[in-house]
Amino acid sequence: KNQVEQSPQSLIILEGKNCTLQCNYTVSPFSNLRWYKQDTGRGPVSLTIMTFSENTKSNGRYTATLDADTKQSSLHITASQLSDSASYICVVTPGREYGNKLVFGAGTILRVKS
Amino acid sequence: DGGITQSPKYLFRKEGQNVTLSCEQNLNHDAMYWYRQDPGQGLRLIYYSQIVNDFQKGDIAEGYSVSREKKESFPLTVTSAQKNPTAFYLCATSLTSGSYNEQFFGPGTRLTVL
Repeated sequence: KNQVEQSPQSLIILEGKNCTLQCNYTVSPFSNLRWYKQDTGRGPVSLTIMTFSENTKSNGRYTATLDADTKQSSLHITASQLSDSASYICVVTPGREYGNKLVFGAGTILRVKS
Repeated sequence: DGGITQSPKYLFRKEGQNVTLSCEQNLNHDAMYWYRQDPGQGLRLIYYSQIVNDFQKGDIAEGYSVSREKKESFPLTVTSAQKNPTAFYLCATSLTSGSYNEQFFGPGTRLTVL
């Protein structure tokens, strides 16, 4: 069964600190992996996308890594800000035979405190 | 959220009533999707449409119905057959249904059954 597991479930950090969120997946075959940010009560917004041949992608203070051999990805947030408080969702797209049916993780809820 | 509107933002329903959630887009995207989000779970696909006048069931279609009469619109009806409809509903669109195309999400509708 195609699954995406994220850890931790929730995280509290102080403003200015760094943090790393984890994503493990069993989706196979695999097309691409995305990280989304979802503010409370809003729709998710894409942060990064990586294909199986890419192992890192940055978007400002957000850096995603991918190890396709171990089926693991991480999202590193540098110098956190209060506005980073949100849920971060790891999303995997299976291979072509599964169409565009994305497999979503449950998300990591990040709270940045001042 | 740009270009995708969902209405209403909050919706209350009495048991036994059907309700319709609106999703409109001006992105000229062919594909549209409906997801359901519950606390602690990943988004789950209800229905999707790759083109006008065509739609397919997702993973949890029971108790829901959709139509796609116009490219811009993909309304979702939550029927009385849906036993646990209280959730956050997200509409998404993508340029086509290809696996690399990003899905853009609307702001969501929170449905509560009284």
